[in-house]
Amino acid sequence: GAGVSQSPSNKVTEKGKDVELRCDPISGHTALYWYRQRLGQGLEFLIYFQGNSAPDKSGLPSDRFSAERTGESVSTLTIQRTQQEDSAVYLCASSGGPPNYGYTFGSGTRLTVV
Amino acid sequence: AQSVTQLGSHVSVSEGALVLLRCNYSSSVPPYLFWYVQYPNQGLQLLLKYTTGATLVKGINGFEAEFKKSETSFHLTKPSAHMSDAAEYFCAVSPNDYKLSFGAGTTVTVRA
Repeated sequence: GAGVSQSPSNKVTEKGKDVELRCDPISGHTALYWYRQRLGQGLEFLIYFQGNSAPDKSGLPSDRFSAERTGESVSTLTIQRTQQEDSAVYLCASSGGPPNYGYTFGSGTRLTVV
Repeated sequence: AQSVTQLGSHVSVSEGALVLLRCNYSSSVPPYLFWYVQYPNQGLQLLLKYTTGATLVKGINGFEAEFKKSETSFHLTKPSAHMSDAAEYFCAVSPNDYKLSFGAGTTVTVRA
């Protein structure tokens, strides 16, 4: 597609429920990233995909967080048993090459856990 | 390991005045450096990037940044602020791997 698409744009969920966040990267971009942005804070790295494998998942905060990517395209970030501290904007980005290409970000999913 | 420090979480400027956003990084190798802008309720947009070559980099919307290796800095400037420049700005560094490390961000407000 023309840009990185994320869905849903907003999600309100009850504490303890599971949520799935979706990211459609730019077609042909092999690298895909998830970041978390808490209110008033910078971006926290969560996970990096190269193709369908995740060579760096060091930023996932706990085992309640998981992500997968299929077909070198769509990625899903799943948060199980959500907690209030999971409330944040989850941003996805994709890149077509080395870091000097820069990232293209999606508009994010705003997750609110009540 | 690399890190990014943005001095000043909030900057307020008058319309038409100089915008200066400071960014210092630590990196064990010459890095790639980026500035991103985030408008309200939107994703991040690349403003400019330094990879190799000329140390003064020009970006979109009249912004530019200068890479100073001796000072480990990559400050962002715009000679004349416009109301539409009100946004949050993030400096980021990538020392030759795929991961970007972001600063905490600087929110710019522009006074009429």
